[in-house]
Amino acid sequence: GAVVSQHPSRVICKSGTSVKIECRSLDFQATTMFWYRQFPKQSLMLMATSNEGSKATYEQGVEKDKFLINHASLTLSTLTVTSAHPEDSSFYICSARDLQRWWEQYFGPGTRLTVT
Amino acid sequence: KNEVEQSPQNLTAQEGEFITINCSYSVGISALHWLQQHPGGGIVSLFMLSSGKKKHGRLIATINIQEKHSSLHITASHPRDSAVYICAVSPDDSGGGADGLTFGKGTHLIIQP
Repeated sequence: GAVVSQHPSRVICKSGTSVKIECRSLDFQATTMFWYRQFPKQSLMLMATSNEGSKATYEQGVEKDKFLINHASLTLSTLTVTSAHPEDSSFYICSARDLQRWWEQYFGPGTRLTVT
Repeated sequence: KNEVEQSPQNLTAQEGEFITINCSYSVGISALHWLQQHPGGGIVSLFMLSSGKKKHGRLIATINIQEKHSSLHITASHPRDSAVYICAVSPDDSGGGADGLTFGKGTHLIIQP
């Protein structure tokens, strides 16, 4: 089956630093990848939609200058949390849409970010 | 924007019981997903439905498009089924488009031995 990986799985960083999270589709091509965030005991929320070769589309309330998304290839999207603050501590999950099976979304295992 | 409601929020049952988790949504959709999230956070996609019923092992998912309602059933439940089950919907204009999912808050299921 389709596999999506995320790296790192856990990261702890200090306030003010930047953190990059990678999302890769391992055995399929994904023109579209989605980035979600989940705060403790809350549901997942869509942050942005990442399209290969074009600018990401951000949901209302998500700062595009703070959460930089790059989707440079059909198998890789990155989310960079810039100038991280403790309130950015969350669980970040990506999903990828198969170019050939656009109706499916495959989820990565998630990245736990803790900002101290 | 679609509102996705799940019930119950929490469910504790004994091993072997038949489990039903419900999901309702407010606006027409192109597809509904049932997801399973384990304590570590990883998400597994269980089903994607646009109509009717699907079965995989002990899991059954149904959807009624007219009533905007879906159910996830687990037969012969087992402690390893303990997880958070999340309902998520794709908007009606997906058709090759690139819209993210709207999620319910999840149902926290505990199956006791």
